[in-house]
Amino acid sequence: QQQVKQSPQSLIVQKGGISIINCAYENTAFDYFPWYQQFPGKGPALLIAIRPDVSEKKEGRFTISFNKSAKQFSLHIMDSQPGDSATYFCAAYNYGQNFVFGPGTRLSVLP
Amino acid sequence: NAGVTQTPKFRVLKTGQSMTLLCAQDMNHEYMYWYRQDPGMGLRLIHYSVGEGTTAKGEVPDGYNVSRLKKQNFLLGLESAAPSQTSVYFCASSYSQRGGDEQFFGPGTRLTVL
Repeated sequence: QQQVKQSPQSLIVQKGGISIINCAYENTAFDYFPWYQQFPGKGPALLIAIRPDVSEKKEGRFTISFNKSAKQFSLHIMDSQPGDSATYFCAAYNYGQNFVFGPGTRLSVLP
Repeated sequence: NAGVTQTPKFRVLKTGQSMTLLCAQDMNHEYMYWYRQDPGMGLRLIHYSVGEGTTAKGEVPDGYNVSRLKKQNFLLGLESAAPSQTSVYFCASSYSQRGGDEQFFGPGTRLTVL
């Protein structure tokens, strides 16, 4: 199974700061890269996703930056809020291999 | 819409016991998935289904069986539970698979095998 590496494992940010989570993949056949957000006791929910034909996608305070040549992508959370405290999973997908998830990053935003 | 629901929410089994986890979705999705989530390992695909009556193996299928007799339901069975199967199990569904599509997850089932 193709791996998706994710870092850091945990992240503590002050309210109003920028949270950055990084992911790297191996299989160049992946063509869809979503980020999922999971609150304690809940199932993951899609936050934002990108395809490799664009280098950046922004939705509100959340931005994905994508570097195809480096096979890396990252999630940036601007003006981080305590309500953003959750576990974030990056994933990669291509038809036939399904979704491969990173190990997750636990984000804590301090008030 | 209830979305994706899972039954039960919690379960404790003894080694060797069997059980079935039920997943139901009301979004008319073709694709359904069973994942397990373990600390530091993300979500790992156990089995999935691309439509009613179909099933396929994922990354970690050993010790599990599945059935999709109705489009809206996807059952995960453990025939002889082992402590290594202690985990949180998530069911998900999506409209399609080609090109990637949003997966909608259920709330999870926390299973402990003693």
